[in-house]
Amino acid sequence: QQQVKQSPQSLIVQKGGISIINCAYENTAFDYFPWYQQFPGKGPALLIAIRPDVSEKKEGRFTISFNKSAKQFSLHIMDSQPGDSATYFCAASLSGSRLTFGEGTQLTVNP
Amino acid sequence: DVKVTQSSRYLVKRTGEKVFLECVQDMDHENMFWYRQDPGLGLRLIYFSYDVKMKEKGDIPEGYSVSREKKERFSLILESASTNQTSMYLCASILQGVGNQPQHFGDGTRLSIL
Repeated sequence: QQQVKQSPQSLIVQKGGISIINCAYENTAFDYFPWYQQFPGKGPALLIAIRPDVSEKKEGRFTISFNKSAKQFSLHIMDSQPGDSATYFCAASLSGSRLTFGEGTQLTVNP
Repeated sequence: DVKVTQSSRYLVKRTGEKVFLECVQDMDHENMFWYRQDPGLGLRLIYFSYDVKMKEKGDIPEGYSVSREKKERFSLILESASTNQTSMYLCASILQGVGNQPQHFGDGTRLSIL
């Protein structure tokens, strides 16, 4: 059973635009929500993460918005750059160890 | 910097073969994980281990087994490889019991079963 649903599966954005990727989860006991970024030929790497006691976390051009009542969270990439082109995975975990991943979003930022 | 090393980047095997995928981490992490990555399905957990000689089934353990004889090494075994096990396999490790730490991933092994 897929406990974290991610959309869209692919996304094409123009340079300078905003990229938005959405995730929804089922298990209300999840207490840690990271986003991972994966470039071709590389393993995923942690990009940014949030805990459910805050509604938003920002690191540079990357922002997580978290809606606990709706059981949804999203990644916003402001001023998207071609170097942001990668596959992005949302995930959720209970107590920070075992992660349940979404299906992934392949982001392409056109120059 | 944490380094997770997977022994092969690409591997081609035949149906019915016994296949070993090796993973080594250099940061003394207790927890190690094996995932498979397929387009549109994300990363799915096959097995994980909290300590030497300990293993737990993940979401898709059928057709796989694991071995952890040393803390730094976690092996994934395909007992009798089948074509539906053609996939990208990713190993990860994490430090246990220190709050929310990132999982550190290797660069993957792309396995083709013919």
